[in-house]
Amino acid sequence: DGGITQSPKYLFRKEGQNVTLSCEQNLNHDAMYWYRQDPGQGLRLIYYSQIVNDFQKGDIAEGYSVSREKKESFPLTVTSAQKNPTAFYLCASSPRTGGIGNEQFFGPGTRLTVL
Amino acid sequence: RKEVEQDPGPFNVPEGATVAFNCTYSNSASQSFFWYRQDCRKEPKLLMSVYSSGNEDGRFTAQLNRASQYISLLIRDSKLSDSATYLCVVRVSGSARQLTFGSGTQLTVLP
Repeated sequence: DGGITQSPKYLFRKEGQNVTLSCEQNLNHDAMYWYRQDPGQGLRLIYYSQIVNDFQKGDIAEGYSVSREKKESFPLTVTSAQKNPTAFYLCASSPRTGGIGNEQFFGPGTRLTVL
Repeated sequence: RKEVEQDPGPFNVPEGATVAFNCTYSNSASQSFFWYRQDCRKEPKLLMSVYSSGNEDGRFTAQLNRASQYISLLIRDSKLSDSATYLCVVRVSGSARQLTFGSGTQLTVLP
């Protein structure tokens, strides 16, 4: 089955710890994205990548880091510098950047709670 | 002003009713428009892409008014399964960062 997978589904972290959220896609999409969603709010872009070995900061990149060593994978690390990391994290991908349409498709998300 | 604004609701409607949501966007360079549906504690899923002046898919009709910079979503003959949050999403022309999401409108269809 083609799709986007994220793991783990739920993650608990102690303050001061770094954690890495996994995102994998087998859709052969070029572009991948990380969003954060807080209760009652829209999705906010953390990082995005248009191609392997390249990525750009979104609106709220502080306290986060990413890598894009493979087309299929775009892991997100939530560092201890992120002051309020408890949120629902969503990974998405799209076939390409630019052009009409270019809809994004989402993984099931990781719910991170800092204890 | 937010780039994409939606009435948060909630909209509570009886089964079989017709309901409409509006969304306004501030950037006149916006090129592509989408409606996503998000169930509670789940990921957003694409409901409709909106091109030109609008389009229809079964019970769902999306309309676009570029002059007034708003998009609407009409749901006819509401089903219980339509209960969800509906996200208005906009892409600005030439933007590599792609999409800007509204905060969503919550719909509950009542039996």
